[in-house]
Amino acid sequence: DAGITQSPRYKITETGRQVTLMCHQTWSHSYMFWYRQDLGHGLRLIYYSAAADITDKGEVPDGYVVSRSKTENFPLTLESATRSQTSVYFCASSEWWRSSYEQYFGPGTRLTVT
Amino acid sequence: KQEVTQIPAALSVPEGENLVLNCSFTDSAIYNLQWFRQDPGKGLTSLLLIQSSQREQTSGRLNASLDKSSGRSTLYIAASQPGDSATYLCAVRRAQKLVFGQGTRLTINP
Repeated sequence: DAGITQSPRYKITETGRQVTLMCHQTWSHSYMFWYRQDLGHGLRLIYYSAAADITDKGEVPDGYVVSRSKTENFPLTLESATRSQTSVYFCASSEWWRSSYEQYFGPGTRLTVT
Repeated sequence: KQEVTQIPAALSVPEGENLVLNCSFTDSAIYNLQWFRQDPGKGLTSLLLIQSSQREQTSGRLNASLDKSSGRSTLYIAASQPGDSATYLCAVRRAQKLVFGQGTRLTINP
C-alpha cells in the first residue's frame, strides 16, 4: 500500500537491549523524521534526514541512532534502551510540494522498556 | 526557542455547536503552520496547512486562520459532530523542523 508504514506497531523490550524501529515510505519524499510523543511533552523531534546519507539531530537525539541508506527507509535504533525511552514513536515524511513541505505521519510504534 | 501553546487543553461541547481552538507561538519567523487531528492510539492526520503568506485556509467545515504578527492561529469547526472528537494539534514550521503544541482534546457530546 502507498503511504508511510512503521514496524513493529508494538514492542516490549528490556533495559539495555538494542531495538530498531522501522519506517518505510512509498512516496519517494526527500525528508523523513522521527518524533516521540509523551504525556506532558507533546511531540518532540528526535532526528531527521534531508536525503539518503544525510541526517541531523533534532531536539532529543541522545540515546538514538539513525541511518538512511535508501530514500524510502529511515530506521531508528535505540542502542541500549532505557525506561525513559518508553514512548510512542512516529515517523513522518515530507517533500517540496506546492512549496509547503507538508508532513505526513505514520501510525506510530508504541515502545515499552521494562 | 520556539514555543507553541494550545489552550484549552480539553474542551467538551454539545453536538451542533461551532467552536474555536487556539494556538499561539512565540517566534513569528515561521514558514507555515499545520493543524493535525489525532484519534486515540492513532497517528496524526493533516487537516490544514497555512503558508506564512496566507491568512486562512478552508476545508469543508474547518477553517484555519493565521496572524503571524501576533503569533496566533485558530481552527474553527462549524456544526460540530461526535465524529470530530479527537485531539487537535497545531505545529509551526521553521526550516524543516516542526514544533508542536501539546494539543486540545475535543469531545463532542451527542
